[in-house]
Amino acid sequence: EVQLVESGGGLVQPGGSLRLSCSASGFTFSSYAMHWVRQAPGKGLEYVSAISSNGGSTYYADSVKGRFIISRDNSKNTLYFQMSSLRAEDTAVYYCVKVPFVNYGSGSYYDYWGQGTLVTVSS
Amino acid sequence: QSVLTQPPSASGTPGQRVTISCSGSSSNIGSNAVNWYQQLPGAAPKLLIYSNNQRPSGVPDRFSGSKSGTSASLAISGLQSEDEADYYCAAWDDSLNGGVFGGGTKLTVL
Repeated sequence: EVQLVESGGGLVQPGGSLRLSCSASGFTFSSYAMHWVRQAPGKGLEYVSAISSNGGSTYYADSVKGRFIISRDNSKNTLYFQMSSLRAEDTAVYYCVKVPFVNYGSGSYYDYWGQGTLVTVSS
Repeated sequence: QSVLTQPPSASGTPGQRVTISCSGSSSNIGSNAVNWYQQLPGAAPKLLIYSNNQRPSGVPDRFSGSKSGTSASLAISGLQSEDEADYYCAAWDDSLNGGVFGGGTKLTVL
C-alpha cells in the first residue's frame, strides 16, 4: 500500500525557516517524480514545486522561487522541502504528492497524496 | 485568480446527473490532458479522473470526464450523498511550464 507521511509543519514567525519531510513507502520511491502542492485555509490547491525521480530536475512556482528548495534522498525514501524567508501568505497545508512517471511535466497527474502538514506563518 | 475556471458551486438531488465545467486556454487544456481530483471534507484530495477520461481503479463508473478544445467537464451520474465534496480540475500549462488548478467547485447533494 502506497503511503506518504508528511512531517515538520508548525508555527513559524515571518522571515523564519522550516523543513518539511515526506516519508514514502509501498512503492519504489526512486522511480517516480514527486511534488509539493499546498492549500491555504479555506482556499483551493496550488502547485508549488516538483522534482524528478533522480533529483536532477526541479520546478518552483514563482510564488516560492528563490525561497524554497525541494530535494530528495532516494536511499531514505524521503522527500524534503526547505522553506526560508517565510511569509504570511505561505500559510497552508502542504501535501506531498506522487506522480506515476520518472519526471514531471505535461501528462503528469497525482495518483497518491499524503495527509498534509500545516504550516502557519504568524507573529 | 486561478488559471483554470470552475463554477464555485454546484448542486443536485440524489440520483440526478450533475456536470462541473473547467475552462482554460490553448496553453493548458487546449494542449494537455485534464485531471480531476475529489476532496472530501477534512481529507486530502484524491485522484478521480486522469488523462481527460480515465478512471483509476476503485473509482465508480458514475464519474466520467471529457474534454473539448479548451474546456473540460466532469459528470457525476446517480448522485449520492457521499459525493458531496470539492472537485478540482488540473492540467499542465506550457506557457507557465508548471501545473495549474481550477479554483474548485463545491458540490452539494440536496
